[in-house]
This record gives sequence, C-alpha cells and structure tokens, in this order.
Amino acid sequence: IQLTQSPSLLSASVGDRVTLSCKGSQNINNYLAWYQQKLGEAPKLLIYNTNSLQTGIPSRFSGSGSGTDYTLTISSLQPEDVATYFCYQYNNGLTFGSGTKLEIK
Amino acid sequence: EVQLVESGGGLVQPGRSMKLSCAASGFTFSDYYMAWVRQAPKKGLEWVASISYEGSSTYYGDSVKGRFTISRDNAKSTLYLQMNSLRSEDTATYYCARQGYWELDYFDYWGQGVMVTVSS
Repeated sequence: IQLTQSPSLLSASVGDRVTLSCKGSQNINNYLAWYQQKLGEAPKLLIYNTNSLQTGIPSRFSGSGSGTDYTLTISSLQPEDVATYFCYQYNNGLTFGSGTKLEIK
Repeated sequence: EVQLVESGGGLVQPGRSMKLSCAASGFTFSDYYMAWVRQAPKKGLEWVASISYEGSSTYYGDSVKGRFTISRDNAKSTLYLQMNSLRSEDTATYYCARQGYWELDYFDYWGQGVMVTVSS
C-alpha cells in the first residue's frame, strides 16, 4: 500500500486549526498511525489505530478517517508543533507516507 | 522509562559489512516484537526489518532482503542488525523501534538513531 500525504508543506499561524491528509492506494482498515519528527530527533508516535491518542500526547492532536482517507488534526497550533508529520499504515505490509512539513507563518 | 540506545554506525565502504546494536531498557524486552527503521538524509522513513519475541520469525523490506539480518538476545535485552553487501543507497540514520505484539503493528518507542554512511 502506498501512502500519499498532502500538502507536502503547510504554513499556519499559532492558534490555527490545522488538518493534514494521508491517502492510501488501498483500504487501510484503520491500521493507520501518525508520527511527529522534529528536526534532528527521532519520530514520536502521536496517534495509532486511526484515532487513539498515545499516552502523553496533548489532546489538541486527533486523528480520524476510514477506508483509504485519513486525517491528523491539530485543534490549536502551538510553536512547539513545528515538525514533519508522517502517516504510517500497518494493514498490508508496513509503509510510511512521504511527510508533511508544518511551519509557523 | 523505555529507552532504546543504538550503536555501531559509522563510515563503511561499499560491499563491506557492519553490525548495529540496540540496547533496550525500561520494559520486558522479550514481550515485544522489535524493528529497525531507516531514514536516508533529508528523506522519509523506510521500514527495514522486524523480529518476533523469541527471534524465531523475521521479516524484511524488499530493499534489504538477502543482505541484512535482524536478530535479538533477550538475555541481554539487545537487538541487532547485521548488514552485508552494503550499497550507497543504504546510507541513512537507522532507528531501533519497539513494535508491539506482531509484525503488522505500529512502532511506539524509538531510539535516537545511528548514522551509517556507505562510501568509498
């Protein structure tokens, strides 16, 4: 399964509601996770199984979706959210999306 | 606290071998599948290999199948990646990751990564 993330670059203001998209080439059956990677750091798990929030992750992060289309939403963008976000599917093989780089406007 | 600490990276010539290690602590190592994930410079993430609880089952990405071998020593809580016939396209940061309860699972904890550069 191939994953297509959009947009590749997103610029938004502090406090904005931000939506990142991930589309699969086949049905992912909700086996979809989201990772945040800050510059020079390892990826960090944010969301698993489409909408389950990993322990310790702020509640402004949420996930949704079904079938082939999934979304990561940040309800109120904070300066510390600047990072690249990757989606990852584990329904059929293991593949990552190419990432969305999130910047502060 | 879960900790994963990789070691063994560096510069290696094409065609040569290198072995990476990952020391785990803060959890019962033998209760989890473990994996290696890599990231080429300024590129995305690529799953490399996974291994079952006792090491009896292993899984590989197509780009490394037949060249890399994943293994584990549960007595030492250590994961390994033996990399043979290295190519320039294997240049990447290699992350050790805790995978969960089967080979089709997400990665919940990652190490800080170790850089491998394949160049003459």
